[in-house]
Amino acid sequence: AQSVAQPEDQVNVAEGNPLTVKCTYSVSGNPYLFWYVQYPNRGLQFLLKYITGDNLVKGSYGFEAEFNKSQTSFHLKKPSALVSDSALYFCAVRDSTDNQGGKLIFGQGTELSVKP
Amino acid sequence: DTGVSQDPRHKITKRGQNVTFRCDPISEHNRLYWYRQTLGQGPEFLTYFQNEAQLEKSRLLSDRFSAERPKGSFSTLEIQRTEQGDSAMYLCASSAFGGGGETQYFGPGTRLLVL
Repeated sequence: AQSVAQPEDQVNVAEGNPLTVKCTYSVSGNPYLFWYVQYPNRGLQFLLKYITGDNLVKGSYGFEAEFNKSQTSFHLKKPSALVSDSALYFCAVRDSTDNQGGKLIFGQGTELSVKP
Repeated sequence: DTGVSQDPRHKITKRGQNVTFRCDPISEHNRLYWYRQTLGQGPEFLTYFQNEAQLEKSRLLSDRFSAERPKGSFSTLEIQRTEQGDSAMYLCASSAFGGGGETQYFGPGTRLLVL
């Protein structure tokens, strides 16, 4: 069965410092991995995805993520955090061998708080 | 703005009433998804359509829930005989089929409160 784990409910960083939001996954085949951000009372906004190729993926707003197959991880990173990055972040996975091919499986989310 | 719209944005209803939500996807997207998100949790898959065909339904989608996409454009999600446990944010997403790695774009959601 597919699953995603975000081991930290909350991450606190100071503005200007690097940030990391952790994600690990479990799928039967090769994973398609996604990061989304959610601001209060809003839907999910796509940040970046890994499908194949280079393990380092760059996305919106200066975010990047590194796919690590041996550790089954896809951690989200940003070199210098902004207060406006404060939000709820979700990691999601789809199994490439899922023939029905529709659903994303989401983690429970990590609340990122960036203090000035 | 992702381009997916949902209506209404908020709905308060009494237990036992029926409610219907609408989702308008990005116009060229042939796949449409419904998810449910409760407080403190990630979204959970409910069902999805490719054009007008409903291809997968989660076991979360009880008999009280029904979804349609009659002309392959907008979709409706109806909940009959609502229960307090149905209180959640209902999210709609759409994508253009691209072999599995396509991005799903989400709407703003409909927040349902069942009293």
